[in-house]
Amino acid sequence: GQQLNQSPQSMFIQEGEDVSMNCTSSSIFNTWLWYKQDPGEGPVLLIALYKAGELTSNGRLTAQFGITRKDSFLNISASIPSDVGIYFCAGHSGGSNYKLTFGKGTLLTVNP
Amino acid sequence: DAGVTQSPTHLIKTRGQHVTLRCSPISGHKSVSWYQQVLGQGPQFIFQYYEKEERGRGNFPDRFSARQFPNYSSELNVNALLLGDSALYLCASSLAGTGISYEQYFGPGTRLTVT
Repeated sequence: GQQLNQSPQSMFIQEGEDVSMNCTSSSIFNTWLWYKQDPGEGPVLLIALYKAGELTSNGRLTAQFGITRKDSFLNISASIPSDVGIYFCAGHSGGSNYKLTFGKGTLLTVNP
Repeated sequence: DAGVTQSPTHLIKTRGQHVTLRCSPISGHKSVSWYQQVLGQGPQFIFQYYEKEERGRGNFPDRFSARQFPNYSSELNVNALLLGDSALYLCASSLAGTGISYEQYFGPGTRLTVT
């Protein structure tokens, strides 16, 4: 099935560093969502974006809805060890199509 | 408040068998979606149900079926299991029809292993 292009695939950083990851699509989306998944658990919703150009924060996390509506970005500032996990972007095209389309994820490792 | 719950947590089945997975949504949520997540990939959409009716179906064979009950809980059924059906099956709930319903909240998943 279709998946979004998410990069980087993995990141290994030092505690305290900032992190940036992005997600691109060949199709337009009306909604972008960012999730974090820990091993053996389901994805947890971090941020939802509904408008092109929108910039939304949740604590140390900031996400942006790209103006072309084909991309989105997630930044994590001052990373801490509990930020470790897999981060997924997901897009929704709106209308009668109810599914979320996910990226393959970015694996983040934080070295204390 | 209780989140999305799924049962069982883990399941081991043999090829050709049938399996039923269960999901209870967040209280007040009327829509349930099912996703399959294989190792190293993002979740892939299987079904969405709202008010007991199917609203969306992903690119999965007819061996996969689902239903939603009057209390909004849901079952995912898979017949004639194949080795390739081994995956984490995720249930997600959302409020309702449009707009904010695109925010889907996931359960912990059921890990299905087919041998």
